[in-house]
This record gives sequence, structure tokens and C-alpha cells, in this order.
Amino acid sequence: GENVEQHPSTLSVQEGDSAVIKCTYSDSASNYFPWYKQELGKRPQLIIDIRSNVGEKKDQRIAVTLNKTAKHFSLHITETQPEDSAVYFCAARSGNNNAGNMLTFGGGTRLMVKP
Amino acid sequence: DTAVSQTPKYLVTQMGNDKSIKCEQNLGHDTMYWYKQDSKKFLKIMFSYNNKELIINETVPNRFSPKSPDKAHLNLHINSLELGDSAVYFCASSQTTGELFFGEGSRLTVL
Repeated sequence: GENVEQHPSTLSVQEGDSAVIKCTYSDSASNYFPWYKQELGKRPQLIIDIRSNVGEKKDQRIAVTLNKTAKHFSLHITETQPEDSAVYFCAARSGNNNAGNMLTFGGGTRLMVKP
Repeated sequence: DTAVSQTPKYLVTQMGNDKSIKCEQNLGHDTMYWYKQDSKKFLKIMFSYNNKELIINETVPNRFSPKSPDKAHLNLHINSLELGDSAVYFCASSQTTGELFFGEGSRLTVL
């Protein structure tokens, strides 16, 4: 099955700086890569996603890049704000029908933005 | 209207008991899931069910069983609860290859 590794596990930045979180995946059949943000005591919520036919996607201060050859993808947050503080999860979904459409999540990154 | 709702939100019980968590989605999605989030925040898939096929993560003990009375519901039954079952359990749904929507989570504490 799919295995997703995420780094770093914790990340502390100063307000206004950029934050980068990196993930690798193992299943070359994976074709969908979302990023979820989970605030304390809340449910994970989608913030951005990318599919395998695209190399980069941007939405305001958030961007995601995908390198299919190397099987890694990254989340970039620019001009960080205190409200960006949360746990971020990357995930991968296999295009293999036997995988049941399941998303496999990375271990999470706790981002702390210091004012 | 809550898109994915699960009950109860909190559940405290003794070891050895049997408990259930209910989940309903009103998004018309064709696939529902159960995820377990432990104290270290790892999100682990337990089951995927799309009204035709149940996919079980092989690491899930057979004390856990999903039951789907219809396409909009996927309940989780847990028998003979153990201390290690304490976690937050998230129900989720998606449309085959689309975005995953999570419920609010059910925090299970086994004493």
C-alpha cells in the first residue's frame, strides 16, 4: 500500500516568514495530493490540492508543488500569520481501484507562527 | 446543515465494553471512511466503503466493524474495548476521487 512521509514534524517561524513542508510518497500510481489543516480540537479541512497532471498550484499565500519523478510534493506558505498556526497534513490517493479511494496521510507538521 | 455528522462527540467507557459511533453524510457522496487519530495526531485509515465494496486496513483489529445501512450512513462498532483504542475517530466522505470531508470527530476514552 501507499506510504507517505512528512517533514518536519514541527516548524516554528516568525510572523511574515515563509514555511515549507515536504512529503514523499511510495506508490507511483498515486494521482491526487491534498493538504489539510487541522486547528486545535477541530476537524481536518482541505486547504489546497494538486493532481498528477499538474506541477504547481497556487491559491493566494499557499502553493503546492509536485515532482512525480521523485515522488515528492511540498506545501509553501508565504507571509505567515498567527492564524496559520495549526497541524498540517499531506496525503496521497492511489489511482489503483483496489485501494478503495483511500487517502493515506503523512504524520503531520505542527506549524507555530510567532507574532 | 452539517455535511458529515457523527455522534457521540465524546464517549467514556470501561475496558471490555462494546460501543458504537454513528456517522451520516448529506453530500450525496459515494464513498465513506473511518479514520483513527491517536494522541500523536497520526491519521490512520481504518475502512473505506462505497456501497459495493468494503476495504479494510489490514492493521485494524477485527474487534472493529463498520456497518452501512445505506449509502449515507457508515457506523463503527467496537467490541471488547481496550485502553489502546482511546483516540479521536473521524468519519469522512468523498465522491470517488474528490475532496475528503471530515466529520467533527468522536473522542473515545477507555478507562
